[in-house]
Amino acid sequence: DIQMTQSPPSLSASLGDKVTITCQASQNINKYIAWYQQKPGKAPGLLIHYTSTLVSGIPSRFSGSGSGRDYSFSISNVESEDIASYYCLQYDNSNTFGAGTKLELK
Amino acid sequence: QVQLKESGPGLVQPSETLSLTCTVSGFSLTSYSVSWVRQPSGKGPEWMGRMWYDGDTAYNSALKSRLSISRDTSKNQVFLKMNSLQTDDTGTYYCTRDHEQLGDYWGQGVMVTVSS
Repeated sequence: DIQMTQSPPSLSASLGDKVTITCQASQNINKYIAWYQQKPGKAPGLLIHYTSTLVSGIPSRFSGSGSGRDYSFSISNVESEDIASYYCLQYDNSNTFGAGTKLELK
Repeated sequence: QVQLKESGPGLVQPSETLSLTCTVSGFSLTSYSVSWVRQPSGKGPEWMGRMWYDGDTAYNSALKSRLSISRDTSKNQVFLKMNSLQTDDTGTYYCTRDHEQLGDYWGQGVMVTVSS
């Protein structure tokens, strides 16, 4: 089974900052990685799929990149509404989520 | 519009079987796959298994021995059954519509507590 190592577990940022989250897969996942945002009490919402393709309606301050085993997700110009937990998901072989990153305001 | 809604008991006794139903609308179960995902409080989600659009199933290897997913296309429902529940099975259980093997729409989730 493919394992996903996500870091950091938590992140503190000021409004307007750029933040980056990484996920490393235990094997090549051929860019089949997605990123989700989850706010307390809500289901996760899909932001990005296939490494860097933004879901319709998602602001362009969200972005993703990577290849092989190593992937990253960034938010430029953090806004208050971005305060949430973020999860990566590999879907190359079955599905595996990362453990998550909790983004907080500094 | 696409909607999914999970239903089932909120409390299950240890060693008992969990039965959940996902009722969908706005899409066909013969065109889209549906997955079950669970999430312990404060932790990351865990993919449990999938009912493929063609009726085939796939399971998380860690849960395969305890898990069964089925469907009734006439009722637009997908079912989850998991036996031998323990306290670490406590969490929120979601069903998701899958597009290219990832969940693009999620239900609101149902909280399941395993306790005596």
